Amino acid sequence: QQQVKQSPQSLIVQKGGISIINCAYENTAFDYFPWYQQFPGKGPALLIAIRPDVSEKKEGRFTISFNKSAKQFSLHIMDSQPGDSATYFCAARGTGNQFYFGTGTSLTVIP
Amino acid sequence: NAGVMQNPRHLVRRRGQEARLRCSPMKGHSHVYWYRQLPEEGLKFMVYLQKENIIDESGMPKERFSAEFPKEGPSILRIQQVVRGDSAAYFCASSPGLAGGTGELFFGEGSRLTVL
Repeated sequence: QQQVKQSPQSLIVQKGGISIINCAYENTAFDYFPWYQQFPGKGPALLIAIRPDVSEKKEGRFTISFNKSAKQFSLHIMDSQPGDSATYFCAARGTGNQFYFGTGTSLTVIP
Repeated sequence: NAGVMQNPRHLVRRRGQEARLRCSPMKGHSHVYWYRQLPEEGLKFMVYLQKENIIDESGMPKERFSAEFPKEGPSILRIQQVVRGDSAAYFCASSPGLAGGTGELFFGEGSRLTVL
């Protein structure tokens, strides 16, 4: 059973456009929601994270929107750049410090 | 402060051989997680360990796979009698645990296993 559902599986965006990736969860005990960025041949690296008591967090061009009642959260990449082309994973932390990952979104930003 | 170190980065084994993957967590981190990633797929949880304890191994296949995190030394993921389907990238991540930090997972660069 997939604890965190992520969509879309792949995304193509023009340079300068907005990339939006969505995730949904069921377990209301999740208390921390990070996004990871992975380049080919590398390990995932933390991009930005949010806690459920906050509805939005922004760091540079990256923003997490969090809707606690709908149990959904999304990553917005503003002014997308070719260097943003990577695979993005959402995740959620449950009780006992266990992390559940989405299936990933492959983002391609076209120059 | 060195990051999470995994070795070997690449490992080639023939069917039936054993594969041992090592992970040294970041300094001060006592929690280690192992994930498997197949091409074009996401991160599949395998096992979560603290020093000398397996906390959650619900993602680990019941046969041929084992993991340990001894008091001294790296965490080891061991795959016995490898089969072609074991070919994947295996990622280790560490965290300081709930008691410290933001709870962030820090990933290594991965070990890529190829079974011939």
